[in-house]
Amino acid sequence: KAGVTQTPRYLIKTRGQQVTLSCSPISGHRSVSWYQQTPGQGLQFLFEYFSETQRNKGNFPGRFSGRQFSNSRSEMNVSTLELGDSALYLCASSTKPGQGLRSYNEQFFGPGTRLTVL
Amino acid sequence: KQEVTQIPAALSVPEGENLVLNCSFTDSAIYNLQWFRQDPGKGLTSLLLIQSSQREQTSGRLNASLDKSSGRSTLYIAASQPGDSATYLCAVLIISSGSARQLTFGSGTQLTVLP
Repeated sequence: KAGVTQTPRYLIKTRGQQVTLSCSPISGHRSVSWYQQTPGQGLQFLFEYFSETQRNKGNFPGRFSGRQFSNSRSEMNVSTLELGDSALYLCASSTKPGQGLRSYNEQFFGPGTRLTVL
Repeated sequence: KQEVTQIPAALSVPEGENLVLNCSFTDSAIYNLQWFRQDPGKGLTSLLLIQSSQREQTSGRLNASLDKSSGRSTLYIAASQPGDSATYLCAVLIISSGSARQLTFGSGTQLTVLP
């Protein structure tokens, strides 16, 4: 079974630009969450999507947005990039109770997208 | 607000030693606790998941325990090997109203196993 995939793996952008990152969850998983990892702040929750609806959002400015498609694939967008947005962006997928798997709510992470803002 | 702390921040041991990594959390209303491994520049690999109703989980040389009432978890690694060198992260899952879910992570323990 294929794991969580994220594209692109690496990105270099300049301040003021916008960027879109993509995440494809494990087949059958309908929940996708996004996290930002930086050396100073560690791993911080961005948002969670389930059935194309944002269920939860972390403490990030409105420049950070996301969406989920009917096939559970998700994208996150960062507009007006700042130097401080340089980070590893990780996507995780999981099942939900009632989907018939014992370890529901276990989060499986992709390899991440390394974003560098110059 | 949930806070997760991991001690120590870094640990260096000779190959073959048994070791314990510690994780503590401030709010006991967790749904589960998950231990991850992260190699430099890579994503997170799930090692063990403990549901809130469980006390421990084992996988190979790894054993994780959970004491929800005291807000503590430990990850025990037996007979450590150089390939175990990585950063180990613990995370607790909170499920709030409307089924909103969020993992809160500790800052990790960077483990080096010397050959």
